[in-house]
Amino acid sequence: GDSVTQMEGPVTLSEEAFLTINCTYTATGYPSLFWYVQYPGEGLQLLLKATKADDKGSNKGFEATYRKETTSFHLEKGSVQVSDSAVYFCALSRGFKTIFGAGTRLFVKA
Amino acid sequence: DADVTQTPRNRITKTGKRIMLECSQTKGHDRMYWYRQDPGLGLRLIYYSFDVKDINKGEISDGYSVSRQAQAKFSLSLESAIPNQTALYFCATSDQRREGRNTGELFFGEGSRLTVL
Repeated sequence: GDSVTQMEGPVTLSEEAFLTINCTYTATGYPSLFWYVQYPGEGLQLLLKATKADDKGSNKGFEATYRKETTSFHLEKGSVQVSDSAVYFCALSRGFKTIFGAGTRLFVKA
Repeated sequence: DADVTQTPRNRITKTGKRIMLECSQTKGHDRMYWYRQDPGLGLRLIYYSFDVKDINKGEISDGYSVSRQAQAKFSLSLESAIPNQTALYFCATSDQRREGRNTGELFFGEGSRLTVL
C-alpha cells in the first residue's frame, strides 16, 4: 500500500542554518504531495504542495520538488528562524485518501 | 474565529466512560475526517464522511463511532474509553467540489487532547 517515510527527528539547528528534511514515498499512480506544519498547540496547516512530477512547491522560504524518479519530496529552507520551530509532516494524497509520515520535529536555537 | 472548531480541547476521563468529541466547520466543505495523532506514528485516519448520508471507516475505526449531524458537524464517540485511546484527535475538512476535483488539501482543527486513565 501507499506509504510515506520521513527522516526521524528531532532536528536541532542554529538560526540562519540550512534545513533539509528528507521525505520519500511509495505509491501507485501519481499522487499529490504535501508538507504540513504543526506549531505548538495548534493543528496542522498546509505549508506547500506539488501535484505532478517536477513541480516545485514553495511558501515562506520553504521549497520542495516532486521527484518521481527518486520518489522523493524533500523539504528545504536556506535560512531557518526560531519561529520555524515546529513539527513537519510529509504527506501524499490520492483521491480522498491522505497518508502522513511520522513527522519531524525541528528546533531552531537563537 | 477558527474555520474548523473542535470541542473540548482537553479532556481527562476514566476507563469505561463514554466520550464525545465534536467538530464544526464554517468552510462549507463537503468532506470531513477524524484523525488520531500519536508520537512517532503521524496521523491515522479513524473515520471519514463525504456527506451527511455517507460515513466510512478509516484504518483504525475499532472502538470508535461517528455521527454526521449536518453538513457542518461531525462528531466522534468513544463508547467505552480505554487507556490506549489516549491521543491527540484532529478533525479535518476538504472540498471535493471546488474546481471539480479534489485538490487533496486538508484543513485541520486545533485538536482535542484526550487522556484516558
